[in-house]
Amino acid sequence: NAGVMQNPRHLVRRRGQEARLRCSPMKGHSHVYWYRQLPEEGLKFMVYLQKENIIDESGMPKERFSAEFPKEGPSILRIQQVVRGDSAAYFCASSLQGTDGYTFGSGTRLTVV
Amino acid sequence: DAKTTQPNSMESNEEEPVHLPCNHSTISGTDYIHWYRQLPSQGPEYVIHGLTSNVNNRMASLAIAEDRKSSTLILHRATLRDAAVYYCILRDRVFQGAQKLVFGQGTRLTINP
Repeated sequence: NAGVMQNPRHLVRRRGQEARLRCSPMKGHSHVYWYRQLPEEGLKFMVYLQKENIIDESGMPKERFSAEFPKEGPSILRIQQVVRGDSAAYFCASSLQGTDGYTFGSGTRLTVV
Repeated sequence: DAKTTQPNSMESNEEEPVHLPCNHSTISGTDYIHWYRQLPSQGPEYVIHGLTSNVNNRMASLAIAEDRKSSTLILHRATLRDAAVYYCILRDRVFQGAQKLVFGQGTRLTINP
């Protein structure tokens, strides 16, 4: 049973480009969470999704960032018009039910040049 | 989410027990105490959780104070692979909207060979 799969592991984008980060939850898990970790800082919650629904997006920046978790396929975190300050590690986690423990992926390290 | 307080860093020696403290004086009756750890360049990893009674699993033990205002994560015999940042997190099981994990700064554990 594969764990949470995130791809790509590393992503380099020029300022102004779009970044698309993918997360495939563990099999059977329908709850997905995205976190961001800036260099030398802690993990910050961004968004919590269930299939086709955004449950809590209180940690998402109001502009340029969006997330989805379609009925079929992985969850996508999309960052439009990236800036240098978006450079960070982005982690996805999934759980079977919202009250269970989380399983995290290995993250996508985004570098904006 | 209720707040937890942990020391910024701790140091121990290989093959010795490690006791990682966490204070949570404002814990409510429905808050579970969760511990996660993050090894260098990896996503967080679930360690253990409990409500009132002490808990043991293959990774660690969790000792919860009788008044639940503090807890201690115990690594019985630390190895170099246990060097990580350890997070103590309270999580309410009752309210639907409070299901996200909120990470603090954690305790950075260094293990000396």
